[in-house]
Amino acid sequence: EDKVVQSPLSLVVHEGDTVTLNCSYEVTNFRSLLWYKQEKKAPTFLFMLTSSGIEKKSGRLSSILDKKELFSILNITATQTGDSAIYLCASVNTNAGKSTFGDGTTLTVKP
Amino acid sequence: DAGITQSPRHKVTETGTPVTLRCHQTENHRYMYWYRQDPGHGLRLIHYSYGVKDTDKGEVSDGYSVSRSKTEDFLLTLESATSSQTSVYFCAISERAGGDETQYFGPGTRLLVL
Repeated sequence: EDKVVQSPLSLVVHEGDTVTLNCSYEVTNFRSLLWYKQEKKAPTFLFMLTSSGIEKKSGRLSSILDKKELFSILNITATQTGDSAIYLCASVNTNAGKSTFGDGTTLTVKP
Repeated sequence: DAGITQSPRHKVTETGTPVTLRCHQTENHRYMYWYRQDPGHGLRLIHYSYGVKDTDKGEVSDGYSVSRSKTEDFLLTLESATSSQTSVYFCAISERAGGDETQYFGPGTRLLVL
């Protein structure tokens, strides 16, 4: 059974701090790993990772995948209150793109 | 939002009644998914579809059935709703382009079973 574990479950930081969110996975027939941000609505896509060691970057957010150690990290630098959200990672396998989600990390950024 | 809509957006129903949720997409995506999201459980896959009339079970399929008679619509049915099915239901599509893939989610349906 595919399994995705995120840590920490919750995190409280102050504006300007840098945070690192972790995602480890055990997946049969791994294809890719996805990161999402969820505020009080549907998840919105952040990154898709398929290859080890290649960093994906969007503004203050970046992510990287390690397929040997089976984990990914999401970094957010210079955090802002608008970064407060639940961050979800999901593994995608080759079977019709079935995804398994972790339980998410709830990030709270205080002014 | 990849042209995904869900209906209804909110529903209150009673235990034992049938409920059907609809997911509609306008961009001819082949793969569609139904998830439920509950506190402490993240998103869990209920059923998915890889084409018209082609569906399969996810990790929490008991008590749910699906149908996909045309590309744009993926229906989720609770044959006899139970209180444990109170949840937020999200539909998603999988979009693939140039080796990249992402899933886009619909806005969600909040279901309360009394």
